Amino acid sequence: GAVVSQHPSWVICKSGTSVKIECRSLDFQATTMFWYRQFPKQSLMLMATSNEGSKATYEQGVEKDKFLINHASLTLSTLTVTSAHPEDSSFYICSAAGTGGSAKNIQYFGAGTRLSVL
Amino acid sequence: AQSVSQHNHHVILSEAASLELGCNYSYGGTVNLFWYVQYPGQHLQLLLKYFSGDPLVKGIKGFEAEFIKSKFSFNLRKPSVQWSDTAEYFCAVRSHNQGGKLIFGQGTELSVKP
Repeated sequence: GAVVSQHPSWVICKSGTSVKIECRSLDFQATTMFWYRQFPKQSLMLMATSNEGSKATYEQGVEKDKFLINHASLTLSTLTVTSAHPEDSSFYICSAAGTGGSAKNIQYFGAGTRLSVL
Repeated sequence: AQSVSQHNHHVILSEAASLELGCNYSYGGTVNLFWYVQYPGQHLQLLLKYFSGDPLVKGIKGFEAEFIKSKFSFNLRKPSVQWSDTAEYFCAVRSHNQGGKLIFGQGTELSVKP
């Protein structure tokens, strides 16, 4: 089946630094990838939709200058948390949407990245 | 407000018991419906989906769900749970009126006692 790899799985950083998270679709091309944030014991909240070759679409309330998204190829999207602060500590999850066949309109999820900002 | 609601936050069952997890949504128009499962420490996996056709859909690991359009519901069922079904279950809706975004319910934590 479709596999989405997310890296790193866990990162600890100092307040004020930037952290980059990668999301790769390993065995399929994804024109659209999604970035979610999940708080403990809560649901996934969509942060932004990342489209290959164009600017990401951010959900209301998500700071685009703080959460930089780049989708430079059909298999890679990155999320950079700039000038991270402790309130940015969370679990970030990416997904990639299949484009054809039985995978069309289905999102496949990465394992997530736990960010801890000290 | 448009939303996806999962009514059970935490369900505790003994092995072999039957399971039904509720999911209701409030989006109009055409929707695609999904159930995802997240085992402890793992990523979300697709259990089953409904796009069109037979409203009773069967997924992996013996799970099934029924789409009842009049009730805006997509409840997940399994006749006999196993300890290995212990996980977090998320209902999700993709509404064509919402630009195709996937909106998740709050999740239901299922604990199966051996």
